Order: sequence, then C-alpha cells, then structure tokens
Amino acid sequence: GIQVEQSPPDLILQEGANSTLRCNFSDSVNNLQWFHQNPWGQLINLFYIPSGTKQNGRLSATTVATERYSLLYISSSQTTDSGVYFCAVAARTNAGKSTFGDGTTLTVKP
Amino acid sequence: KAGVTQTPRYLIKTRGQQVTLSCSPISGHRSVSWYQQTPGQGLQFLFEYFSETQRNKGNFPGRFSGRQFSNSRSEMNVSTLELGDSALYLCASSSREASTDTQYFGPGTRLTVL
Repeated sequence: GIQVEQSPPDLILQEGANSTLRCNFSDSVNNLQWFHQNPWGQLINLFYIPSGTKQNGRLSATTVATERYSLLYISSSQTTDSGVYFCAVAARTNAGKSTFGDGTTLTVKP
Repeated sequence: KAGVTQTPRYLIKTRGQQVTLSCSPISGHRSVSWYQQTPGQGLQFLFEYFSETQRNKGNFPGRFSGRQFSNSRSEMNVSTLELGDSALYLCASSSREASTDTQYFGPGTRLTVL
C-alpha cells in the first residue's frame, strides 16, 4: 500500500517563529488532507489539498503531486498551534482508504 | 450544520466482551469511515461505508465489523475484546466517497479494555 512519511517527527519553536512540515507519499493520490489533532483527540481539518496551494490565515499548504510531497507552513506560531499535525492521503489505486502519516508533534513555547 | 457525532465518548469493557460504537455523520453526507488510533500503531483505517455498502476494509481481524443504515448513521462492533483493542476510535464523514472529498472527523470514542 501507499507509504506516507512526515518530517520532522518533533518540532519545538518559540512563539512567533515560522515552521514548515513535510509529507512525502509513495504513490499517486486522489486526496490529501492536513489535520491538527487537539489535546482531546479531535482531528481538525486544515486543508484538503490534492494539488496546488491554499492559504488560510497564518497557515498555508502546497502539494506538488507530480513529485509526491506536500508542505504545511505555519507562520507567526502561537501556543495554541501546539499539537500533532497529520497528513492523510488516499491513493488512486485504493479508493476509500485514507493512509495517515505518523504525524509531527509541534510544541510552541511562550 | 451539526458536526460528526460519536457515542459513547468513553467506554470501559473487560476482555471477552463485545462493544458497539455509533457515528452520526454530517447531514447529507453519505460516506462514513472508521479509524483506530493507538500510541504504537498510529491512525489505522478500519473500513469505509458509502450508501450502506462497505467499499473498503483495512487489515483488521474479523472481530471488527461495521454497518451503515439508510440514514447514513454507522455502527462498528468489536467482538471478543482484547487488551490491544484499547484505543481511540474515530469516524469521519464526507459528502462523496472518501477518497475524493474532504473528510470531517468526530470527537472519537475512547475505549479501554481491562
């Protein structure tokens, strides 16, 4: 099946710093989403981005489908950005099944 | 619009028992997917239902089963519980089939097996 690798596994920042999270995947995808998991376990949608670039406030994401990677940018980070960020993909060859990466744990210090 | 709801939120069972978890998708959504999250294995796909049909299934034993009703609500059942089934179970809904649409997740059911 499709492999999803996220890097870095852990990231510690000072409030106000910028960061880039990466997601590499091993096959063509129909679907790619970025999520933020809050301390209570809820997965919050950030972006649905199988290709192209999107921005939402301090967050933006870019997926280069032909090179099989996606990037999530967080600018001017805040303590509330702390948590685990997941990338999830659904391969064209396996419709209906989303595969998650292991996540990046972000800690933003005040 | 109300989000995805899951019941119960917390559950404690003993080995050998069975459990049924429920997921109500966003109104109008026809696809429901289930995932298991554990510290050791991460987030793993269980199954997806679309218009009452199971479209795909992950690599879980037959003790894990599910179904979807005509109103798109879904249940998953785990029989003969094992300690390793302790996990956060998450469901997600989407308006079209999951691989071509945004998935929205519920708050999860935290299952503890003693």
